Amino acid sequence: VQLVQSGPEVKKPGASVKVSCKASGYTLSSFYMHWVRQAPGQGPAWMGIINPSGDTTTYAQKFQGRVTMTRDTSTSTVYMELSKLTSEDTAVYYCAGSESTGSNDPFDLWGQGTLVIVSS
Amino acid sequence: EIVMTQTPLSLPVTPGEPASISCRSSQSLLDSTDGFTYLDWYLQKPGQSPQLLIYTVSYRASGVPDRFTGSGSGTDFTLKISRVEAEDVGVYYCMHRIDFPWTFGQGTKVEIK
Repeated sequence: VQLVQSGPEVKKPGASVKVSCKASGYTLSSFYMHWVRQAPGQGPAWMGIINPSGDTTTYAQKFQGRVTMTRDTSTSTVYMELSKLTSEDTAVYYCAGSESTGSNDPFDLWGQGTLVIVSS
Repeated sequence: EIVMTQTPLSLPVTPGEPASISCRSSQSLLDSTDGFTYLDWYLQKPGQSPQLLIYTVSYRASGVPDRFTGSGSGTDFTLKISRVEAEDVGVYYCMHRIDFPWTFGQGTKVEIK
């Protein structure tokens, strides 16, 4: 079972970035998925969660209004889009989830991380 | 949001010796509806994604050696390594998941002396 994320991105301030996370050997559509980011030299920060059907999301207040999490069940892929980027959004972004089906399960699955650099 | 505070932030260790990391939450992580306490521990080895070590205070994740032990209740938690090995180096994080937003501690960097 693997979560495979899209490649690194370099964006200008004010732009948006969309990161994908595809499951391999795992039916992603059955499970809740989270996004976590980690700025350079800092600890991880939880960004939000999307339910299995993709119709319910909960976002951390810090990212409300700028983040959108979606999923495509046909391709077993989840997406995280972050808009109005600033240099403070430079970070590694991880998708994370569990092999259990609950919404409150710990992260026993992690993607490899996607580095997003925001620079003019 | 719940604030997670870890101590120490840096922990030099000697192989074969024990090590201990503390984590304190700003409010209780006990869910009164089901009786579980939602505190997990992760290890992030250099250049890797975090990996789950301990969940729900004291349950070892699959494949985690029994030298790792989690304990605690309410707002005070501890991760103990009975005999540190070289492969245990990295940054350890506690994380709560009692309600959103889930939050992590600042991390404890464990390195070999």
